[in-house]
Amino acid sequence: AQSVSQHNHHVILSEAASLELGCNYSYGGTVNLFWYVQYPGQHLQLLLKYFSGDPLVKGIKGFEAEFIKSKFSFNLRKPSVQWSDTAEYFCAVKGLGGADGLTFGKGTHLIIQP
Amino acid sequence: EPEVTQTPSHQVTQMGQEVILRCVPISNHLYFYWYRQILGQKVEFLVSFYNNEISEKSEIFDDQFSVERPDGSNFTLKIRSTKLEDSAMYFCASSPAGGRTGELFFGEGSRLTVL
Repeated sequence: AQSVSQHNHHVILSEAASLELGCNYSYGGTVNLFWYVQYPGQHLQLLLKYFSGDPLVKGIKGFEAEFIKSKFSFNLRKPSVQWSDTAEYFCAVKGLGGADGLTFGKGTHLIIQP
Repeated sequence: EPEVTQTPSHQVTQMGQEVILRCVPISNHLYFYWYRQILGQKVEFLVSFYNNEISEKSEIFDDQFSVERPDGSNFTLKIRSTKLEDSAMYFCASSPAGGRTGELFFGEGSRLTVL
C-alpha cells in the first residue's frame, strides 16, 4: 500500500523567507508525485507534478520540488515566500499499477506573516 | 478555464438522514472521484468511477455510500443514513486520464455537518 507523510503540520514564516516542506512516501514501485495547494476558501489546485525525467520540477508561482528516489522524498521549495502563499499544502502520490486514487499526506498549514 | 463544480457548498443534516452531494465534472473527463477530509485530518480517497461503474473504493466507502452518474453530466455521492463521523469536507474530482497518471482536478468541496 502507498502512504505519504508530511513532516510539518504548521509552518509560520516571514515574507521573503525561504521555504522547504518535507514529503516522504512509501511505495515499492514507480510513482507519480504531486503537490496540491488549497488557498483559504478555495479548492485543491495542482502546484506541480513529477511523472518522469528531470527530478527537479518547477510549478506555478515560483514553487519547485525535487524527487530523490533514494530517499523516497519529494520536498517542496520556494526561495522567497509571499503573504499570498498562505495556504494548506498537500503532497500526494500515485503508485503506478497500485491503487486507483491519489494518496495524500496530512497537509501542512503554511502561514506567511507580512 | 473549465472547472469541477459542487453543490451544496455546505449542508447540515440530522444523524440518520440521507444526503446527496452533487458534482459536475469537467465535460470531457472520463474518470471521477470522491475524496473526503475530516477537519484536521488528511484528504482520504473514497471511490473512483469510470465507464458508469465503480473502479475502486476504499474501506471507508461502505454500504452506506453510493455513487451515481444519472444523466451524463452530474456525478453524485449519496450517504444513506448519516453518522456523526460522516461530518467532513467532501471533494469531487475528475481526470481525463484517470488512474494512469493521477492528475486530478478538484471541486471546491461540500462541507457536510451531521448533528
